Amino acid sequence: DQQVKQNSPSLSVQEGRISILNCDYTNSMFDYFLWYKKYPAEGPTFLISISSIKDKNEDGRFTVFLNKSAKHLSLHIVPSQPGDSAVYFCAAIHNSGYALNFGKGTSLLVTP
Amino acid sequence: EAGVAQSPRYKIIEKRQSVAFWCNPISGHATLYWYQQILGQGPKLLIQFQNNGVVDDSQLPKDRFSAERLKGVDSTLKIQPAKLEDSAVYLCASSPGLGTDTQYFGPGTRLTVL
Repeated sequence: DQQVKQNSPSLSVQEGRISILNCDYTNSMFDYFLWYKKYPAEGPTFLISISSIKDKNEDGRFTVFLNKSAKHLSLHIVPSQPGDSAVYFCAAIHNSGYALNFGKGTSLLVTP
Repeated sequence: EAGVAQSPRYKIIEKRQSVAFWCNPISGHATLYWYQQILGQGPKLLIQFQNNGVVDDSQLPKDRFSAERLKGVDSTLKIQPAKLEDSAVYLCASSPGLGTDTQYFGPGTRLTVL
């Protein structure tokens, strides 16, 4: 059962515009959420995270928003750059565990 | 600081053969994870170690998969015998501790079972 869902397999955005990647989760016991970025032939790298006690976290061009009532989070990248082209994974951690529960990923393509 | 090292990077075997993967975590990281990523899916946790003890192996198919971290540093993951559905990328990750400590991933080993 997929508890973390990324319903858009791919997204294409023009350079300089905003990229919005979405993620939904079903388990209300998740209390920490992360975004990882993955380039081909490399392992995922941590991008940004948010605790369930917050609704927004910002780091440079990257902002994550959390809507607990809707069980939804999103990653905003502004402005998007060609180097941001990668697969983005949403992940969640259960409040009694440590493992990352990943979504299937969204492939972002930023075109010049 | 050196990252998480994994070897081999690629492995092709026939079904029913055995295979082993090796991981060396970031120096000083107490927690080590093995994930399986099947094509088109997100990584799925197989096993988690805290030093040389197992924290979570609930999703490890124990009839064919085994893992060890004898000295609390590097780790090996073994599949014996392999099945076609084991074709995947096997990712190793490490973190300083448990909880929400950032997990750092290695490049992975791509296994193809023919």
